[in-house]
This record gives sequence, C-alpha cells and structure tokens, in this order.
Amino acid sequence: RKEVEQDPGPFNVPEGATVAFNCTYSNSASQSFFWYRQDCRKEPKLLMSVYSSGNEDGRFTAQLNRASQYISLLIRDSKLSDSATYLCVVNRPNSGGYQKVTFGTGTKLQVIP
Amino acid sequence: DARVTQTPRHKVTEMGQEVTMRCQPILGHNTVFWYRQTMMQGLELLAYFRNRAPLDDSGMPKDRFSAEMPDATLATLKIQPSEPRDSAVYFCASAPTAWEALHFGNGTRLTVT
Repeated sequence: RKEVEQDPGPFNVPEGATVAFNCTYSNSASQSFFWYRQDCRKEPKLLMSVYSSGNEDGRFTAQLNRASQYISLLIRDSKLSDSATYLCVVNRPNSGGYQKVTFGTGTKLQVIP
Repeated sequence: DARVTQTPRHKVTEMGQEVTMRCQPILGHNTVFWYRQTMMQGLELLAYFRNRAPLDDSGMPKDRFSAEMPDATLATLKIQPSEPRDSAVYFCASAPTAWEALHFGNGTRLTVT
C-alpha cells in the first residue's frame, strides 16, 4: 500500500460547481499536511497548509481527519483557472531521526465551461 | 519575493554525456530536496539535505547520480553518464525545515538523446 494515496481522476466539473478531493495516508505518526497545485509543465506550488481545525482560503477549504487518516480539499464555485493537478503532501518523522516528506501522485481537475 | 533558482531551464544532451544541474535555495532554508518527475511517475525523491548534509538519497541511482551541497547557497545534481531514461523534469525545492511547506524551483527539463 502506498504511504499517500490520491484518486488520479480526472475530475471533470462544470464551472461554478463544488468539487472535493481526498488524500489518505497510512502512517498515524504523520504530523504536517499540505495541498499543492501543479499546472501542466510547471513546478508544484503551495496552495494551502492543512491545520487540525480545518482552514479556509477564499473558495478553498482544507480539512484533516486524523481518526480516518485523510485530508481533504474542497473547491467551491470552480473556475476554469482551477484546472490543474492537485497534490497532497504528508510529513512524518522517520526512524533515521529526520522527516519524511511524501507527495501523492495527484488528482487531475478539469473545469469545463 | 524569494524564489528557488534552478539552472539550466532546459538541457538537451547525448547519451553518455555528463549533466550538471544547479539549484540556489531560498536564503535561510536549511532543507533542500531534489525530485524527478516524468509523465509516467509522480514526483520521485532523489535526494534530501539538511544543513548541507545528505539525509536521504535512497531514491537516487547511485551508479550514475550524485548530489552535493558545496555551500548553503548551492546544491548540485550530476548524472554521469546520462542515459535516455534519465529524460525528465528535475525539480529542486527548499524549506525552512522539512516540517514546513516546500518551495519549488522552475525545474530543469532534461532530454537525453
């Protein structure tokens, strides 16, 4: 089983729709979580951190469910410009005494006019 | 706005040639990562440095790849000899610590013919 798993999609949604992605992680010691956005042929860019109490940034809401070991990203009122691949990132301590940073393989979102 | 700087942006070379990619992390970031991304794979971690010391290079083919940080402002990734299967986009990323969000450079798009 992969340490971090995402549905690859694609999710094809009409403009204005609400869409949600989940990302599951296998290691309960995971401590920090992020969502990144990657446009085609570009570098990943931080979209938002994910806090224990959940957090919102405009149309984007991120949540963490430690009991079920997943994080989620909700996008409201989808725009054409939201079309991208969304990567989740999970950090945890590892046995070597440092942090292990794991990227999911990404969920592709296509917003349709 | 501080950025991670990678050079070159594009590199086309013939099989067997040496390739050197360079990265200037954001000033004050003590954690530096090298990733490789192809269409078929997600982001593969190649190397991870903290305070210039290599912590994890388990994902790097040791026979031909090497990664170093000669000083805090420069990270290098070398491939010698290069092979067509090395064709990919190579990203460098830095973070204040590995618990915090990574900031990516624009990447080096490598083509080995």
